[in-house]
Amino acid sequence: KAGVTQTPRYLIKTRGQQVTLSCSPISGHRSVSWYQQTPGQGLQFLFEYFSETQRNKGNFPGRFSGRQFSNSRSEMNVSTLELGDSALYLCASSLVGSDETQYFGPGTRLLVL
Amino acid sequence: GNSVTQMEGPVTLSEEAFLTINCTYTATGYPSLFWYVQYPGEGLQLLLKATKADDKGSNKGFEATYRKETTSFHLEKGSVQVSDSAVYFCALIGRGGADGLTFGKGTHLIIQP
Repeated sequence: KAGVTQTPRYLIKTRGQQVTLSCSPISGHRSVSWYQQTPGQGLQFLFEYFSETQRNKGNFPGRFSGRQFSNSRSEMNVSTLELGDSALYLCASSLVGSDETQYFGPGTRLLVL
Repeated sequence: GNSVTQMEGPVTLSEEAFLTINCTYTATGYPSLFWYVQYPGEGLQLLLKATKADDKGSNKGFEATYRKETTSFHLEKGSVQVSDSAVYFCALIGRGGADGLTFGKGTHLIIQP
């Protein structure tokens, strides 16, 4: 099976712009989670989607949003970018009802100038 | 809430040395426990997991045992190689998975030839 894929892999934006990141889960996985990784804060949970519904959200401002499509693919959007949004954004997929193991994609590295 | 504590390092060892990376956790209920590894410029790879007390996860010579009485999940390897140099993350997730993974801050492991 193909693994989790994320596009784009690298992105450079300027403050105030918005960005959309995409994630395709492993075939058959219906849960998709997003994480932000920074040197200062480490790995932090952004949100989780299952069956096109956001089930939970981490402690991030409303500028961070996401959605999931009927084929389980997911996108996350960050509006009004700030310098502090520079990070590696990781997507993970899992089979709901199993042992909740999450499998990660390679990430999208976002640099905000 | 949930939390994971692990030694941050860097931990520097010689090739063929014995490795232990300590991990303790705080969680409600009965979480699943994981070790992930991250190589430079890459996403997270699942190294091993354990879903209930006294389970032992193992992979590529690494082992960790789910100890409920001490709320620990220490990672061990009998003989490390240069190729094991990476950042190792201990993590947990609650039943249902909707709250996402809670990660430790990561341990940077450096193996010298």
